[in-house]
Formats: sequence, structure tokens, C-alpha cells
Amino acid sequence: NAGVTQTPKFRILKIGQSMTLQCTQDMNHNYMYWYRQDPGMGLKLIYYSVGAGITDKGEVPNGYNVSRSTTEDFPLRLELAAPSQTSVYFCASTSGQSEQYFGPGTRLTVT
Amino acid sequence: AQTVTQSQPEMSVQEAETVTLSCTYDTSESNYYLFWYKQPPSRQMILVIRQEAYKQQNATENRFSVNFQKAAKSFSLKISDSQLGDTAMYFCAFMDRYSGAGSYQLTFGKGTKLSVIP
Repeated sequence: NAGVTQTPKFRILKIGQSMTLQCTQDMNHNYMYWYRQDPGMGLKLIYYSVGAGITDKGEVPNGYNVSRSTTEDFPLRLELAAPSQTSVYFCASTSGQSEQYFGPGTRLTVT
Repeated sequence: AQTVTQSQPEMSVQEAETVTLSCTYDTSESNYYLFWYKQPPSRQMILVIRQEAYKQQNATENRFSVNFQKAAKSFSLKISDSQLGDTAMYFCAFMDRYSGAGSYQLTFGKGTKLSVIP
């Protein structure tokens, strides 16, 4: 039982490039989330999903897209990367009956 | 919308001493979860303790305990016998228990940076 896994751990992007952050959970959780954490700040919700095929925007969705084709996977797509997207990204999941479980995070730098 | 406030951006404590981190929240819901998460320099988000709002008894996990005051909407974390490994950012978080239009989303405070001094 690996919990929530994220790849890559680190990435440097040039302005205008695109990339996908991968997230997988093996706990059969319906609910999955993407957060970003800027330096010295708490976590802000980007997108979430309540089950396969269903996604919705969180607090800070601009510049991002998601998909949820399976229960296990919830990739986050960055299109046309901008310096403002430099952050640490966390994926999380929950069954809804207890806490959210977090992945180890991806540190992204856009230069 | 729920809000979570942590009024102490930074705190320090001597090793083996006790420290209390404050958290207040605002909600119109009656049934919810509250959490304290720890984020060490490794960045991993680690659950410290969980409290269900319908339970009157304060949660305890080894050296960690909470003081949950539902009417006052207060949820403080007490760390006893502080250890060097407790040095981390601590986040208070709120989760509505009923999905409804939401989806068990977490609302986080801005965090308290705790330093344990040898």
C-alpha cells in the first residue's frame, strides 16, 4: 500500500512550456485534490474530483487543467507555464470518512 | 465559506517543555472534522491529530493533545515534552463532514512555524 504517489519530485520549466504532474492513489478513494503551496503560506485548492469522470474548480484554477479517467489517477496539466506557477504542488485523497492523505509533493520552478 | 485562523506565525519552545498552538475557525456547519497537520523541512504533510466535532472528548495522540471548544470555535494543539523532531510548520485544517455541494474539501490556516530549541 503506497498511499498517494506523485511524479516528478522536482521540475524546472521555461516560460510557455507545458507539463503534467502525475498523481496516483491505491486506497480506492473517490475524492482527490490538487493543492499548491507558495513559500511561507498554507495550501490552496486548485482542482478536485469526487469520482472518475467528475472534476471541479477550487480556489485557484487558472492556468491548470485536470482529468479523472480512473479512480486511481488524477493528473494536473499546466499549460503555458508562467513564473506565478512556481510553487510546491500536493496531491491528496480521502474516502470522506477521515483525513486527507497527501503525496510527497512536486517542487516546480518556472523561469 | 469556512475560514481558519492561526494567529501565531512563529513560536519557539525549549526541548522537553510544553507548547500550545492556537487555531480558531468560522463555520455555520455543526458536523465537521478538525485536523492538525505537521510539515517538516521534507515538505511531507503528516497528520498529527484529528477531532470529530460531535465528540466532546478532546483527542489525544501520545504527546499531542487538543483543546476543542466547539462553542468558541477554537481548536488548539498542545505538544508536551517537545522534541527536536517536532520542529516544523503546523497547519490547522477544517473539513465539512457532509459532501453536499462540496467534497470534503480542507480549508487550511496559514500555519505556525514551531522551532524546538535544544
